[in-house]
Amino acid sequence: EVQLLESGGGLVQPGGSLRLSCAASGFTFNNFAMSWVRQAPGKGLEWVSAIGGGGFTTYYADSVKGRFTISRDNSKNTLYLQMNSLRAEDTAVYYCAKLSGLLSATHTRYIDYWGQGTLVTVSS
Amino acid sequence: EIVLTQSPGTLSLSPGERATLSCRASQSVSSSYLAWYQQKPGQAPRLLIYGASSRATGIPDRFSGSGSGTDFTLTITRLEPEDFAVYYCQQYGSSLWTFGHGTKVEIK
Repeated sequence: EVQLLESGGGLVQPGGSLRLSCAASGFTFNNFAMSWVRQAPGKGLEWVSAIGGGGFTTYYADSVKGRFTISRDNSKNTLYLQMNSLRAEDTAVYYCAKLSGLLSATHTRYIDYWGQGTLVTVSS
Repeated sequence: EIVLTQSPGTLSLSPGERATLSCRASQSVSSSYLAWYQQKPGQAPRLLIYGASSRATGIPDRFSGSGSGTDFTLTITRLEPEDFAVYYCQQYGSSLWTFGHGTKVEIK
């Protein structure tokens, strides 16, 4: 059974930093691309970032480019999101998501499993 | 960036009725790389449809997807009580994934 367990959310001041983690199990982690998707309170889904299975290819939404860094440790089956220069508009539930295949195979770039999310609140 | 516009914003229907949800893209979605997700309050989204028309594992056949290019549709043939939720479309054909703003299907 695929399981994705996020951690690291919390309250942070504007301009601060936070690192989210996602522990994955139930599948061969390095065979799949992964992604982060966020949802502001009462709002819709917003894609944040994606990373290939080897960790070498990354993509970012324009809203976070230059401030957030996605990475993965395949030896620990863990996905990360380093968030710097946080703003009030980054307040959201952040979901870890597994893609159905590799980034190189466009037809498999949809999300087939989601974690339960971790809340990040940026406020003074 | 491909912008996805979902309509209507809210759909008020009764159990047993048919639901038709629309997702229109600002430019053509390559090879129908479009997915639909269902989200219930307090829960993570769940994959329903990928490739515009392929049902995900375990999804009942009352859910169906269709369309190509810039116009896509999610149809729920007979609404069950558990189908009342918010539905999002998403394109994954470009290197910038985008979601629509969602359609809420509520009980009339």
